[in-house]
Amino acid sequence: AQKITQTQPGMFVQEKEAVTLDCTYDTSDQSYGLFWYKQPSSGEMIFLIYQGSYDEQNATEGRYSLNFQKARKSANLVISASQLGDSAMYFCAMRLTGTASKLTFGTGTRLQVTL
Amino acid sequence: GAGVSQSPRYKVAKRGQDVALRCDPISGHVSLFWYQQALGQGPEFLTYFQNEAQLDKSGLPSDRFFAERPEGSVSTLKIQRTQQEDSAVYLCASSLGGGGVEQYFGPGTRLTVT
Repeated sequence: AQKITQTQPGMFVQEKEAVTLDCTYDTSDQSYGLFWYKQPSSGEMIFLIYQGSYDEQNATEGRYSLNFQKARKSANLVISASQLGDSAMYFCAMRLTGTASKLTFGTGTRLQVTL
Repeated sequence: GAGVSQSPRYKVAKRGQDVALRCDPISGHVSLFWYQQALGQGPEFLTYFQNEAQLDKSGLPSDRFFAERPEGSVSTLKIQRTQQEDSAVYLCASSLGGGGVEQYFGPGTRLTVT
């Protein structure tokens, strides 16, 4: 079974600073995908970034980058130049490749961006 | 609309009542997922459809939970004889294909059982 661990229940960051949200995962499978989602107070899960287990380069999408360290089984999200609108819950998730399978989520990190 | 829609957005049910939650996926999306998100937790998988076929229902917590997608588009999650522990946000997601990378989520239905 897959497991996602997010050890930071809450984080604060000042506007325009960078922040790293931690995520570790556990699986015995070799082929999988790692995701980060943002959930604002409205409740909708917004896809941010994806990293495949065989991707050699770390994924980047605008201000989001994923620091993928396969040997450590970690997939930390880095948000650069934080904005007030980044304040939300952030979830790390995993899906096994090759199956139309479910996402397994962590418990989330609440990010608060301050002035 | 362009995204996944869910209705109702909020539902209050008395314990023992039956409820039905609707999900309209993005047009043309083959895969549809239901998740349950308890307060302060991450979403947990309930069930998965590929077109009209329910391929995985391993996450349904009891036989009071039933989901269908009869024509391969709209899906309904039904909960019979609701209990207080069923109070949660129910999220629906769709993706383009069976192996689609990205799942697009709807806004969720917040169910409160009193």
